[in-house]
Amino acid sequence: DVKVTQSSRYLVKRTGEKVFLECVQDMDHENMFWYRQDPGLGLRLIYFSYDVKMKEKGDIPEGYSVSREKKERFSLILESASTNQTSMYLCASSPGQYGPEQYFGPGTRLTVT
Amino acid sequence: AQTVTQSQPEMSVQEAETVTLSCTYDTSESNYYLFWYKQPPSRQMILVIRQEAYKQQNATENRFSVNFQKAAKSFSLKISDSQLGDTAMYFCAFMRRPGDYKLSFGAGTTVTVRA
Repeated sequence: DVKVTQSSRYLVKRTGEKVFLECVQDMDHENMFWYRQDPGLGLRLIYFSYDVKMKEKGDIPEGYSVSREKKERFSLILESASTNQTSMYLCASSPGQYGPEQYFGPGTRLTVT
Repeated sequence: AQTVTQSQPEMSVQEAETVTLSCTYDTSESNYYLFWYKQPPSRQMILVIRQEAYKQQNATENRFSVNFQKAAKSFSLKISDSQLGDTAMYFCAFMRRPGDYKLSFGAGTTVTVRA
């Protein structure tokens, strides 16, 4: 089974702090994704990575950056957290050319106060 | 831009009965993928079913089946013989073409199965 893990289930940070969310997958997948999930809005793509050190902006990249130094790990960075970034953050991975399905991590519920 | 619309925010169904969730999407592409994902309360999102647009046959996975109407751009999910474990939020998702890899999601439908 594919396993996607995220570093924290719950996180509370203060406005202006730098926040790191980590995601690790164990299936050698090419693609990794970061989404934010908000009620009534579904999931919205923040960033996508299709290879090590390669990234592409999603629909809502403002205020976020990402890092993928190793194939199995994809980090989401909030350079200066703001209250409007309070949300559920979901990481996903997919095998790319070997299949379109995405496999999700358990999510990190981030609260910025 | 692709959009995915789920018009039913919440649905409730009696155990053992059938419920149908609607999803419509907008695209000018001809070959794409559609998915239904399930997110149980406080648990991980999992894939329920997938449909390739070039396939006319509707996908089925055990008690879950879809009604794919390409011309109408409609992709509904039917849950038969509902079980308590089906209680979850269900998301419809769209991938605009093979090799694109990115998904667009609907707002979700919360399904509650009553005992």
